[in-house]
Amino acid sequence: EIVLTQSPGTLSLSPGARATLSCRASQSVSSSYLAWYQQKPGQAPRLLIYGASSRAIGIPDRFSGSGSGTDFTLTISRLEPEDFAVYYCQQYGSSLTLTFGQGTKVEIK
Amino acid sequence: QVQLQESGPGLVKPSETLSLTCTVSGGSITSYYWSWIRQPPGKGLEWIGYIYYSGSTNYNPSLKSRVTILIDTSKNQFSLKLSSVTAADTAVYYCARVRGVRYYFDYWGQGTLVTVSS
Repeated sequence: EIVLTQSPGTLSLSPGARATLSCRASQSVSSSYLAWYQQKPGQAPRLLIYGASSRAIGIPDRFSGSGSGTDFTLTISRLEPEDFAVYYCQQYGSSLTLTFGQGTKVEIK
Repeated sequence: QVQLQESGPGLVKPSETLSLTCTVSGGSITSYYWSWIRQPPGKGLEWIGYIYYSGSTNYNPSLKSRVTILIDTSKNQFSLKLSSVTAADTAVYYCARVRGVRYYFDYWGQGTLVTVSS
């Protein structure tokens, strides 16, 4: 089973700052099968990025995804107040199973 | 706009079977994969399993011995059964649509909290 490790656990930033979130896989992941989600308290996760770099419908262009192999990154170019939340990466592997990272919390500094 | 709604008991006794149903509206259940995901209070997301509209399934290996996911295309519903539950199964349970080919979750239900307690 592929394990996804997200870092940092918590990111403390000010509105307007740039956020860089990391997702590292224990073995190579096809870029086609890497997604990112945003979750706010009391809400279901929302799809942000699929295929490592494609934005989902309605997602602002300040969100971008990149990476390949075992290292993937979610970047928020300028944090808006509504972006403070927990972010998860997710992969689909050759064993036909899906796994999530443990999450990165982006909090207001 | 596709919408998903979970339903079922919010309290289950230890050793019993947890049963939830997800009703899909605003679109057909056919031609897609459908999944269950859970989140213990204050913790991260755990994929439970998915089912194709044809009935084929795939489960998280860590839960496989206790999980059954079924689909009823005539009712636009799919369901989850988790047997022999313990307190560790207390979580918010989400149903979600899986986009095949790339296997990501594009629509989610609001989630339902299931507590395992006597």
